[in-house]
Amino acid sequence: DGGITQSPKYLFRKEGQNVTLSCEQNLNHDAMYWYRQDPGQGLRLIYYSQIVNDFQKGDIAEGYSVSREKKESFPLTVTSAQKNPTAFYLCASNSGNADTQYFGPGTRLTVL
Amino acid sequence: QKEVEQNSGPLSVPEGAIASLNCTYSDRGSQSFFWYRQYSGKSPELIMFIYSNGDKEDGRFTAQLNKASQYVSLLIRDSQPSDSATYLCAVNRSRGSTLGRLYFGRGTQLTVWP
Repeated sequence: DGGITQSPKYLFRKEGQNVTLSCEQNLNHDAMYWYRQDPGQGLRLIYYSQIVNDFQKGDIAEGYSVSREKKESFPLTVTSAQKNPTAFYLCASNSGNADTQYFGPGTRLTVL
Repeated sequence: QKEVEQNSGPLSVPEGAIASLNCTYSDRGSQSFFWYRQYSGKSPELIMFIYSNGDKEDGRFTAQLNKASQYVSLLIRDSQPSDSATYLCAVNRSRGSTLGRLYFGRGTQLTVWP
């Protein structure tokens, strides 16, 4: 069953803690993306990766970090430097010869 | 100026009516245009994409693109209560390439009442 999976679905974090959100895809897609969505807002790009071992900052990369060690996986770490991390985080991917992005189910992060 | 702008709505239409959702974009070199539907608490799902000027129809959905006016729209015919969602417009400056990235509008909230 192909698709994009994100875990966990809900995540609670105490202030000052780093947390890592998982994103896995078995679609053999080259490019992967992380977006953040706040209530009433559109999607804002955090980081993206076009190939393994390479990634670029998006519009709001401060306080976040990523890695792309495998084609299938693109984890996002929300660091303590991110001042307002409570949001809905969405991972997406697309294949090398298409620009249509498909989304995972998302992770809702809440800072307590 | 924002890359992609949408009327935030909310847009409310009766069941069976045509819902019209609009989007404008700032980069005249944009090549690919997408409409996503997002139900409350869920992730966006792709409804349609369009590359060329004119209309593209898929079932009850029609995407319209006018590159000269930098305008893309989505028409939903015979609207159903299940169409109630937020509709996101997205634009890619390049076509068929991972070098491009999507720019999203804030979305238009649509409510279809019985």
